[in-house]
Amino acid sequence: NAGVTQTPKFRVLKTGQSMTLLCAQDMNHEYMYWYRQDPGMGLRLIHYSVGEGTTAKGEVPDGYNVSRLKKQNFLLGLESAAPSQTSVYFCASNTGTEIYGYTFGSGTRLTVV
Amino acid sequence: RKEVEQDPGPFNVPEGATVAFNCTYSNSASQSFFWYRQDCRKEPKLLMSVYSSGNEDGRFTAQLNRASQYISLLIRDSKLTDSATYHCVVLDNAGNMLTFGGGTRLMVKP
Repeated sequence: NAGVTQTPKFRVLKTGQSMTLLCAQDMNHEYMYWYRQDPGMGLRLIHYSVGEGTTAKGEVPDGYNVSRLKKQNFLLGLESAAPSQTSVYFCASNTGTEIYGYTFGSGTRLTVV
Repeated sequence: RKEVEQDPGPFNVPEGATVAFNCTYSNSASQSFFWYRQDCRKEPKLLMSVYSSGNEDGRFTAQLNRASQYISLLIRDSKLTDSATYHCVVLDNAGNMLTFGGGTRLMVKP
């Protein structure tokens, strides 16, 4: 049981490049989330999804797009990376009915130069 | 004003000490509250939920004061392995989103 898997674990991008971060969960969870964490700060919600085919904006959505074409996958896209998007990105999932069952992935460390 | 506010610390305490962290939240309609622990360069993990009646899990005690919109975490008999960042986390009243405080860093020294 892998839980929540994020790929890649590390990436360096040049300003203006695009990339997609993949989050995959094998727990049949309805809800999935993308957070970013900057040094010395808490996690801030970028986008989330409450089911296959749905997405919604979180606290800091600008510069990111997401897609949830399959229930088990939640993709986070950066169309034109900026240095301000240098951060650690965490994906999480939840059943949607159980408030305690949030499972986080191990994170993706992204540096934009 | 941030939705969830915590003192960032660091709190430097000796082994065996008792340490308390506090947190305030702004949305009075919030329903559920948690403390998450995050080790360096790792993902956050649920430490414990917080109930109005107060709840205890071994050396850890959490308390919620809805009237003051205030949450606390007490750690007794601190261990070296308690060194981590502790996040106060609030679930919105729709049950969709976790909002994290900035985290409080604890360093327990021998």
